[in-house]
Amino acid sequence: LAKTTQPISMDSYEGQEVNITCSHNNIATNDYITWYQQFPSQGPRFIIQGYKTKVTNEVASLFIPADRKSSTLSLPRVSLSDTAVYYCLVGGYGGATNKLIFGTGTLLAVQP
Amino acid sequence: DAGVTQSPTHLIKTRGQQVTLRCSPKSGHDTVSWYQQALGQGPQFIFQYYEEEERQRGNFPDRFSGHQFPNYSSELNVNALLLGDSALYLCASSFRGTGELFFGEGSRLTVL
Repeated sequence: LAKTTQPISMDSYEGQEVNITCSHNNIATNDYITWYQQFPSQGPRFIIQGYKTKVTNEVASLFIPADRKSSTLSLPRVSLSDTAVYYCLVGGYGGATNKLIFGTGTLLAVQP
Repeated sequence: DAGVTQSPTHLIKTRGQQVTLRCSPKSGHDTVSWYQQALGQGPQFIFQYYEEEERQRGNFPDRFSGHQFPNYSSELNVNALLLGDSALYLCASSFRGTGELFFGEGSRLTVL
């Protein structure tokens, strides 16, 4: 299973765009890239998933370069409520959810 | 539409005791995964159940066992509790082990 590396923490201000990059050099051909958000004492919440190029939904965008060795989660115009830990996961053959590996995540702190 | 529900939300045990945690998956989901999350760490995969069988297992000892019932609900059992088993135990469900994982709020276990 591919290991991921992401910054331990990031700081931002309300209204800014935040980009969190994740490295996954050993990603396999069938692996998907998935991002989850977690607030203290709550379970993680799915944000977005992609395989290649760009994926966008109502809360975020996911950019994946052609070599797929990294990915960037983009959060437009963050607010205080976006303060959370963000996890980048790689795996899940064909999008399967079994045995997904969470790293230590990126703690995003949004200030007023 | 009820999401993933877990019980109990908090419990305290002493070393050597046994504990059972319960999980009801999101309506329409048939696959349940269990994760252990120590303080300040990302969730660690314990195992996944589908069709009442353990399909995948993470790096956890045999003290950790589980069960899935015909209604897709699941139990996590931990025997001979150690201090290091203190953690937030998360249950996540999905449909046929694919796509987005939906997490419960977790069961906070404290071992004294």
